[in-house]
Amino acid sequence: EAGVAQSPRYKIIEKRQSVAFWCNPISGHATLYWYQQILGQGPKLLIQFQNNGVVDDSQLPKDRFSAERLKGVDSTLKIQPAKLEDSAVYLCASSLGSDEQFFGPGTRLTVL
Amino acid sequence: AQSVSQHNHHVILSEAASLELGCNYSYGGTVNLFWYVQYPGQHLQLLLKYFSGDPLVKGIKGFEAEFIKSKFSFNLRKPSVQWSDTAEYFCAVREEAAGNKLTFGGGTRVLVKP
Repeated sequence: EAGVAQSPRYKIIEKRQSVAFWCNPISGHATLYWYQQILGQGPKLLIQFQNNGVVDDSQLPKDRFSAERLKGVDSTLKIQPAKLEDSAVYLCASSLGSDEQFFGPGTRLTVL
Repeated sequence: AQSVSQHNHHVILSEAASLELGCNYSYGGTVNLFWYVQYPGQHLQLLLKYFSGDPLVKGIKGFEAEFIKSKFSFNLRKPSVQWSDTAEYFCAVREEAAGNKLTFGGGTRVLVKP
């Protein structure tokens, strides 16, 4: 079965620029997650979708981060404007119900 | 809020040595527990999980973990490591009362010398 797809794999931008990441979950997985993993730390959940509805976005910095999953399949995460501290790997994961989460390869963002 | 602590940030050991990685969590209610592994250049993948039942769970590649509820711990073990076990290991906890949200520990980088 195809895994979670993410693009781009790498992105370098300057602070105050905007950036968007894309994720396509495993087919049939209703739940989609975006995590931020700062170097040397574990992944931190930013937002969780159940189909196209938001379940948990309590740790999403809503002044600059936004995410959508309009048709309940793929999702985009946007940062506008980016700050230096946003440099991290952004991971997308999906799950079928409340079982194991499957992770994508991540997008490594560097903000200069 | 839930917190997950992994005691060692870096571990270096030789092939055939035994490995034990510590994981402690803070939440006292019903939890599901996971160990994920990230091999160099690869994405996070599940090593093993505990939901209920026998507190000693076995995962892939000879790994096992023991859930000790009284100690809020879920330590990962492998009796004899191989060079291919070089990776970063993450403990994660899900509170059943908090939906499907995972809280991860900071990770432990394991280097196995051939």
